[in-house]
Amino acid sequence: GEDVEQSLFLSVREGDSSVINCTYTDSSSTYLYWYKQEPGAGLQLLTYIFSNMDMKQDQRLTVLLNKKDKHLSLRIADTQTGDSAIYFCAESDGGYNKLIFGAGTRLAVHP
Amino acid sequence: DVKVTQSSRYLVKRTGEKVFLECVQDMDHENMFWYRQDPGLGLRLIYFSYDVKMKEKGDIPEGYSVSREKKERFSLILESASTNQTSMYLCASSLPGDPYEQYFGPGTRLTVT
Repeated sequence: GEDVEQSLFLSVREGDSSVINCTYTDSSSTYLYWYKQEPGAGLQLLTYIFSNMDMKQDQRLTVLLNKKDKHLSLRIADTQTGDSAIYFCAESDGGYNKLIFGAGTRLAVHP
Repeated sequence: DVKVTQSSRYLVKRTGEKVFLECVQDMDHENMFWYRQDPGLGLRLIYFSYDVKMKEKGDIPEGYSVSREKKERFSLILESASTNQTSMYLCASSLPGDPYEQYFGPGTRLTVT
């Protein structure tokens, strides 16, 4: 079945770039997603990329997609303390309007 | 602005009790979802619904049931709560069709003692 894997923790210094990586298994996913969960809150869509694209940039966020290796990454430039959160990678599950989420990467930003 | 609300932020129940978790969305979304979130396991789908009175099992439906009598409301029921159902429960809703933006509620942290 489908599976999404990501590392559980990442610690960066404020002002540095953060790179969160994810691998997925379902090559038929039309879109791949990054969701963000701040402390005490539900998830919120951060960005998504169409599977025919290699890269998408949105202000401080850059999403890279390597479809051959089924590898997705999220780069956050100039990481701030407000970026501390859990970041979930997700792929869509065919035609069922479902998302398959990874375990989430907890990003800790320290001064 | 889409809003998904859940009936409780924190809930403590005893083993064997019947537990109801309520979720309401105000954007006329067809799809609604119940997940549980556990450290290191991410979000696991319990049940989802793509229309009123329709429901589909997710990855971990055992020990749970759902009800969707109205479009805006999706209830998760723990028939007989057990300690291994202690978790954070998240409700979400979405429109059908790509890309799937799911809107999440704030979650209910359920403790079963």
